Amino acid sequence: ETGVTQSPTHLIKTRGQQVTLRCSSQSGHNTVSWYQQALGQGPQFIFQYYREEENGRGNFPPRFSGLQFPNYSSELNVNALELDDSALYLCASSLEPGTNEKLFFGSGTQLSVL
Amino acid sequence: QKEVEQNSGPLSVPEGAIASLNCTYSDRVSQSFFWYRQYSGKSPELIMSIYSNGDKEDGRFTAQLNKASQYVSLLIRDSQPSDSATYLCAVRNGGFKTIFGAGTRLFVKA
Repeated sequence: ETGVTQSPTHLIKTRGQQVTLRCSSQSGHNTVSWYQQALGQGPQFIFQYYREEENGRGNFPPRFSGLQFPNYSSELNVNALELDDSALYLCASSLEPGTNEKLFFGSGTQLSVL
Repeated sequence: QKEVEQNSGPLSVPEGAIASLNCTYSDRVSQSFFWYRQYSGKSPELIMSIYSNGDKEDGRFTAQLNKASQYVSLLIRDSQPSDSATYLCAVRNGGFKTIFGAGTRLFVKA
């Protein structure tokens, strides 16, 4: 167990809807990264939050947005859901952003868009 | 060209054998390299990190790094059926993101 918790574990939505996924980071970690993992693929970086600010973003459209709260927990929001958004969404916390950053993953949220 | 490339496998080895997993990366300024293990239906977990050229050993696992060839490998000695999983190679270049390969599926036959 990494101490990183995600909710919900599973979610079914329809195309066009909006979804919010939640993540609590491991104690002592101030950095949260979100990844999307499609079936049979590696995790793809969505964005990272450090001390409540977005610290970097991958190649995802603006309808993917996030927040980090003062307790370092985080949310991932996806608007106007598309069928291709169906994937496992992983949250990872780390001690600090940086070169030697080690990621500790939560158990993920499996999102299905119908 | 993908930033991090791995053979998708599956790689099948008998119990007790050495499993060799390979990874290449495209960004020459990459500085940190990681191996994550992901069991089916679970999330990735970190098993090895390596930052300088050469070998790094941790129990049955050895990570090898060759920056000149932009090549990282993971050796698993005395492979066990419980090692059957997908192994993800990950690379960080000092920026804000860790980039993952698509993973290699490993099957260890009892």
